[in-house]
Amino acid sequence: ILNVEQSPQSLHVQEGDSTNFTCSFPSSNFYALHWYRWETAKSPEALFVMTLNGDEKKKGRISATLNTKEGYSYLYIKGSQPEDSATYLCAPNFNKFYFGSGTKLNVKP
Amino acid sequence: DTAVSQTPKYLVTQMGNDKSIKCEQNLGHDTMYWYKQDSKKFLKIMFSYNNKELIINETVPNRFSPKSPDKAHLNLHINSLELGDSAVYFCASSQDRGPQETQYFGPGTRLLVL
Repeated sequence: ILNVEQSPQSLHVQEGDSTNFTCSFPSSNFYALHWYRWETAKSPEALFVMTLNGDEKKKGRISATLNTKEGYSYLYIKGSQPEDSATYLCAPNFNKFYFGSGTKLNVKP
Repeated sequence: DTAVSQTPKYLVTQMGNDKSIKCEQNLGHDTMYWYKQDSKKFLKIMFSYNNKELIINETVPNRFSPKSPDKAHLNLHINSLELGDSAVYFCASSQDRGPQETQYFGPGTRLLVL
């Protein structure tokens, strides 16, 4: 059984705060890592896919980095807004996808 | 215009019954998946089809049988439903089967077995 850990499990921040969370995974046989954003009552939506050690991706106020040698990825949100409230899932691929249980972010106005 | 659709959205049934969940994607993708969201909220892959061919078949009870009549559809049939089958089931699709392919998810089907 392959272990994908996301921390923290949940996070409450004020509007305007910047925040980050972590996805940890085994570093061997790694192919790619995906981040998804999952709003309540909706389907997971893709944010980023990264493959190479040191990859950095950015979309607006959200960015992500990847360290394949030590097996982790960080997701950063700058200046959080209430609409950023969602669960953020990471899914590394080791010839198939393994999803973490997510970090649930709540941004208070 | 929904990219990946699932029917039904909710399914409440008795133990021992047989039920099916349907999934359709209109994205022209070659690969489709079924996931089960377990009690700890993890999405666990059950099956994957590529061009109607089964490519991933995880350790699920053989009461679960996927069927792909064409590339756009992947249905999940469950025989002799058990209480432990209660969960949310998600269908997804991707352009191809590669590890970099983004998956597009359906809205989920909430199954409750009484």
